[in-house]
Amino acid sequence: NAGVMQNPRHLVRRRGQEARLRCSPMKGHSHVYWYRQLPEEGLKFMVYLQKENIIDESGMPKERFSAEFPKEGPSILRIQQVVRGDSAAYFCASSPTVGPTLVKNIQYFGAGTRLSVL
Amino acid sequence: RKEVEQDPGPFNVPEGATVAFNCTYSNSASQSFFWYRQDCRKEPKLLMSVYSSGNEDGRFTAQLNRASQYISLLIRDSKLSDSATYLCVVNDPGYSTLTFGKGTMLLVSP
Repeated sequence: NAGVMQNPRHLVRRRGQEARLRCSPMKGHSHVYWYRQLPEEGLKFMVYLQKENIIDESGMPKERFSAEFPKEGPSILRIQQVVRGDSAAYFCASSPTVGPTLVKNIQYFGAGTRLSVL
Repeated sequence: RKEVEQDPGPFNVPEGATVAFNCTYSNSASQSFFWYRQDCRKEPKLLMSVYSSGNEDGRFTAQLNRASQYISLLIRDSKLSDSATYLCVVNDPGYSTLTFGKGTMLLVSP
């Protein structure tokens, strides 16, 4: 059973370009979460999605950032017109669809995408 | 969004030592509690869930005090491989998500 798969592992963009980060959840998981971790900082929640729905985007910057989780295919975190401050590690996590509350709250993380903006 | 507070450390201990971390959370409605471990430049990994009655997994013991809203993690007989950042994690019922503390760094030396 493959874990949470993220790609690319490393992404380099110049200021003003677009960054697309992909996340495939674990098999049997339909809940996806995106987090950002700045250097020397903790994990910051960005967005929570289920298939075709954004459930909670309270942690997403209002501009340039968007996320989707289509019926088919991976979840995508899209950053338009990147700036140097967007350089960070972006982690995706997924959680089980069924089970008791404690089990459904456990999140399993992908290896992350490290975005560097030049 | 509610907060989870941890002492950032670092905690420097010799191999074989016992070390304890505490964490406080602000949302009294939280129901699920976890400790995750994060190695440098790696993804967080679940270390253990924290149950109301406390629980133990090998050298690791987790305790929950709902009245005081804090969680603890005790590591006995520390190994070099225990060096990592330990993240206290609490579910946030109002937002259906998890809130992560900034982590406590542990450095175990020979």
